[in-house]
Amino acid sequence: NAGVMQNPRHLVRRRGQEARLRCSPMKGHSHVYWYRQLPEEGLKFMVYLQKENIIDESGMPKERFSAEFPKEGPSILRIQQVVRGDSAAYFCASSPRESSGNTIYFGEGSWLTVV
Amino acid sequence: DAKTTQPNSMESNEEEPVHLPCNHSTISGTDYIHWYRQLPSQGPEYVIHGLTSNVNNRMASLAIAEDRKSSTLILHRATLRDAAVYYCILINYGGSQGNLIFGKGTKLSVKP
Repeated sequence: NAGVMQNPRHLVRRRGQEARLRCSPMKGHSHVYWYRQLPEEGLKFMVYLQKENIIDESGMPKERFSAEFPKEGPSILRIQQVVRGDSAAYFCASSPRESSGNTIYFGEGSWLTVV
Repeated sequence: DAKTTQPNSMESNEEEPVHLPCNHSTISGTDYIHWYRQLPSQGPEYVIHGLTSNVNNRMASLAIAEDRKSSTLILHRATLRDAAVYYCILINYGGSQGNLIFGKGTKLSVKP
């Protein structure tokens, strides 16, 4: 049973370019979450999505960041016009429709470096 | 979700038990106690969770105080692969789904 799959694992972008991070949830999971971990800091919630719906985006920066979870295919976290401060590890997590105690399961992360 | 307090770091010797404490004095009746750990350069890994009773699984045990204001994650025999940052997190059932508040956690070092 494959876990949460994220790709790419490592991504380098120049300032001003776009970064797209993909996440395939665990089989049978319909809820997806994105977290960001800045260097030497803790993980911070960004957004919670279900298929074709954004449920909670309270942690998303107001500009340049967007997320989607289409009916078919992986969830995408998109960062437009990246800046050096966007360099971080981005983690995706998933859970089934009903999760005991709201347990969620994380992927291995995508490390974005902006040069 | 209520706040938790953990020591910044702990050390253990390999093959000895490790008790990682967590205080959560403002826990509410519907808060679950979850533990995750994060190994270097990896995503957080679910370890265990509980509500009121002590819990055991293949990775660890969770001992919950009777008043639920504190809990302890127990690794029965630490290995070098257990060196990680351990996070104690309260998750309110029915609260904001998936919005886990990660503090600084406890950095566990395991000496051979």
